[in-house]
Amino acid sequence: QQQVKQSPQSLIVQKGGISIINCAYENTAFDYFPWYQQFPGKGPALLIAIRPDVSEKKEGRFTISFNKSAKQFSLHIMDSQPGDSATYFCAASKGGSYIPTFGRGTSLIVHP
Amino acid sequence: GAGVSQSPSNKVTEKGKDVELRCDPISGHTALYWYRQSLGQGLEFLIYFQGNSAPDKSGLPSDRFSAERTGGSVSTLTIQRTQQEDSAVYLCASSPRWGGRSTGELFFGEGSRLTVL
Repeated sequence: QQQVKQSPQSLIVQKGGISIINCAYENTAFDYFPWYQQFPGKGPALLIAIRPDVSEKKEGRFTISFNKSAKQFSLHIMDSQPGDSATYFCAASKGGSYIPTFGRGTSLIVHP
Repeated sequence: GAGVSQSPSNKVTEKGKDVELRCDPISGHTALYWYRQSLGQGLEFLIYFQGNSAPDKSGLPSDRFSAERTGGSVSTLTIQRTQQEDSAVYLCASSPRWGGRSTGELFFGEGSRLTVL
């Protein structure tokens, strides 16, 4: 049973555009929702994270929107750049566990 | 070192052989994780170590897989009698401690790519 569903599997965006990646979860006990960015040949690295007490978190061009009632959260990349081309993973974990469950990833390509 | 170090970076082995993958976490990080990443797939949790507590082995796919962590630092993932479906990138991550538990942020190594012929 996939606990975190991520879409789309791949995404192509023009430079300057907005990239949007969505995730949905099933377990209402989840209380920590990070996004990781992975470049080819490298390990994933934490990009931004949110807890369910807020509906939005912004760091530079990256924003997480969180909808607790719908059990969904999304990553928005504003003014997308070719350097943003990477695979993005959403994840979720529950208090006391700290073992994140990852989505299957989204391959983002930003064309110059 | 400054980050999580994994070795070997690449390993090619024959079906039926045993392999050992090593992870050296960031100094001071008490939590250590192993994940498996297959082509086109997400990150599959394998095992989690937190301090001196018993490891969470709930993600190990079969009894051919085992892991240990010595002295609360270096970890070794062992795969016995390797099969072709074991081919994947094995990622290790560590996490700092806050309030007695992992903070939630994982710091990943670059992975060990395993190819079973």
